[in-house]
Amino acid sequence: KQEVTQIPAALSVPEGENLVLNCSFTDSAIYNLQWFRQDPGKGLTSLLLIQSSQREQTSGRLNASLDKSSGRSTLYIAASQPGDSATYLCAVRPGANSKLTFGKGITLSVRP
Amino acid sequence: SQTIHQWPATLVQPVGSPLSLECTVEGTSNPNLYWYRQAAGRGLQLLFYSVGIGQISSEVPQNLSASRPQDRQFILSSKKLLLSDSGFYLCAWSSKGRSGELFFGEGSRLTVL
Repeated sequence: KQEVTQIPAALSVPEGENLVLNCSFTDSAIYNLQWFRQDPGKGLTSLLLIQSSQREQTSGRLNASLDKSSGRSTLYIAASQPGDSATYLCAVRPGANSKLTFGKGITLSVRP
Repeated sequence: SQTIHQWPATLVQPVGSPLSLECTVEGTSNPNLYWYRQAAGRGLQLLFYSVGIGQISSEVPQNLSASRPQDRQFILSSKKLLLSDSGFYLCAWSSKGRSGELFFGEGSRLTVL
C-alpha cells in the first residue's frame, strides 16, 4: 500500500528565502505525482504535475523534482513571499486508473 | 477552459437532517469525478468516485451516498446526518486522458450540530 509522508508538518521562514519542501513515498512504481497548494478554508489548487517519465517541472518560482528510485519529490520555492504562505500537499497516483494517495501537507508561513 | 463549481460553500445542519452537496464541471466531457472529505489532522479521505453517469464507487462505508445524474454533475447526499459527518467536503475532477491531473472545487464546510 502506497504511503506518502511530508515532513515537517509546519515550516516558518523569513521572506526572500529559497526553500525546499519534501515529499516521500514508499512505492516507487508511480504513474505521476502532483503538488497542490491549499489556502485556509479553500480548495486545493494544482501547482505542478510530474509524470513518471519526467525528472522535474517548473512554473514561475516553483520547481518540482521527482526521484522515483529513492521515493522522493521536492518542491523548490525561490525567493519566498508572504503570499506563498499556505499548506502544500503532494499526492501520488500509482497507476493510470488509480486514485491519488495524499500526504498530510506542510503548512508554510513566510514572515515579512 | 474547465471550471468546477461546488455549493453550498457553508452549511450548518442539525443531527438527523438530510444533506445534499452539489458539484458541476464545465468545459469538459466524460470526466472522472470525486468526493473527498478533509478532517483536521487526518488529511484527505476519498469518499466516492465516478467514471461515468450512474457509476459510483464507494471507498469507505459510511452514512453518505453519491449520485451522478448527468455527465458533469456529482451529488453527495445523506438521509440523516450524524455529528461525525462534520467536515470539509471537496469535489474534484480529472480527465481520462494521459495526464490524470486532478482539479478541485472550492469546498463545502459542513457543521452538524
